[in-house]
Amino acid sequence: GAGVSQTPSNKVTEKGKYVELRCDPISGHTALYWYRQSLGQGPEFLIYFQGTGAADDSGLPNDRFFAVRPEGSVSTLKIQRTERGDSAVYLCASSLGLAEETQYFGPGTRLLVL
Amino acid sequence: GENVEQHPSTLSVQEGDSAVIKCTYSDSASNYFPWYKQELGKGPQLIIDIRSNVGEKKDQRIAVTLNKTAKHFSLHITETQPEDSAVYFCAASIGGYQKVTFGIGTKLQVIP
Repeated sequence: GAGVSQTPSNKVTEKGKYVELRCDPISGHTALYWYRQSLGQGPEFLIYFQGTGAADDSGLPNDRFFAVRPEGSVSTLKIQRTERGDSAVYLCASSLGLAEETQYFGPGTRLLVL
Repeated sequence: GENVEQHPSTLSVQEGDSAVIKCTYSDSASNYFPWYKQELGKGPQLIIDIRSNVGEKKDQRIAVTLNKTAKHFSLHITETQPEDSAVYFCAASIGGYQKVTFGIGTKLQVIP
């Protein structure tokens, strides 16, 4: 079946601009996660949704970052007033939720802020 | 919060040899330890996981061990093949359906 998909695969923007990154989880997965991976580092947790609600947003670095999942499926990560330090790969993962632990990752969106 | 240390950062082995990657974690409440393999340009893929009520788990050429007392866990790959070349991440979480804390990664190169 289809895995986690993310669009766009690459995004180049200028400092100060607004960007949206989209994640389509595996059908039926109630839990959705966003991570950020800088070059040469492991993924860092940003936010976790269970259904439509953000169960844990403790990893969001500041108020320029926001994520939504209005219908409990697709999620959008929004970054306002982008900075060069926001350049990274943004990974999305999903899991069945509840007690299911395996997180399935998408290929990521490579964001470059010039 | 949880902190996961991973070493070595790079590892080169001859094809057919074994590879071992070691990790430590800080939060004694962590009870789920997945290992991920990431190939260039792709997202991480789960290869094996272990829960805190188990000391060892094996799946073909891959095995993981967990020492809860010492807060150590390790990945062992036997009979390595060139296609095992990738970056491997250890991780820890309090119940895997919450946020996962990753190590820095180990770049494994298997030399034919």
